[in-house]
Amino acid sequence: AQTVTQSQPEMSVQEAETVTLSCTYDTSENNYYLFWYKQPPSRQMILVIRQEAYKQQNATENRFSVNFQKAAKSFSLKISDSQLGDTAMYFCAFIKNFGNEKLTFGTGTRLTIIP
Amino acid sequence: EAQVTQNPRYLITVTGKKLTVTCSQNMNHEYMSWYRQDPGLGLRQIYYSMNVEVTDKGDVPEGYKVSRKEKRNFPLILESPSPNQTSLYFCASRRGQADQPQHFGDGTRLSIL
Repeated sequence: AQTVTQSQPEMSVQEAETVTLSCTYDTSENNYYLFWYKQPPSRQMILVIRQEAYKQQNATENRFSVNFQKAAKSFSLKISDSQLGDTAMYFCAFIKNFGNEKLTFGTGTRLTIIP
Repeated sequence: EAQVTQNPRYLITVTGKKLTVTCSQNMNHEYMSWYRQDPGLGLRQIYYSMNVEVTDKGDVPEGYKVSRKEKRNFPLILESPSPNQTSLYFCASRRGQADQPQHFGDGTRLSIL
């Protein structure tokens, strides 16, 4: 079974600074996908970024980027120029590349952006 | 607007009183799923459905039932709720392929007294 570990339960950073959230996972699969979801206080689950395991290039979405290290099974999220609206719970998630597979989530990192 | 709609958003009820949380999606997605979110545990899958009349257990199915009679609807049923089912519940849907992002409902906060 796959496991996803987020070792930082809480983090805080000053507005405009850069912050990196850690995520590691354990799998014997070679073909899979990784996601970061954001859950603001409104509790909606919002997709932040997606990474295909077969792609070496790290995914980026505006101020959000990942550092995907397949051999190390690491998938960290970097938020640049952090904004107050980035305050949220962030979940890392893994899915095998097979139709009926489920998302396996980490336990989350609560990020607070300090004005 | 593409969306997943859950109802109710909040519910306080008592042990043993059957309840249903409805979930509907308007994106013609094949795959639907229910998760529960608990502090320190992240989101855990309860049940999922690959298509109409096809459902299967997730990681924490005990105490729950589901049905998929129509493609758009995937209700979650608690036949005899207990306090350990107090949680935040999410319904999600996606297209059939695993790489497709899941679209989540706004969540249902259930409190079982």
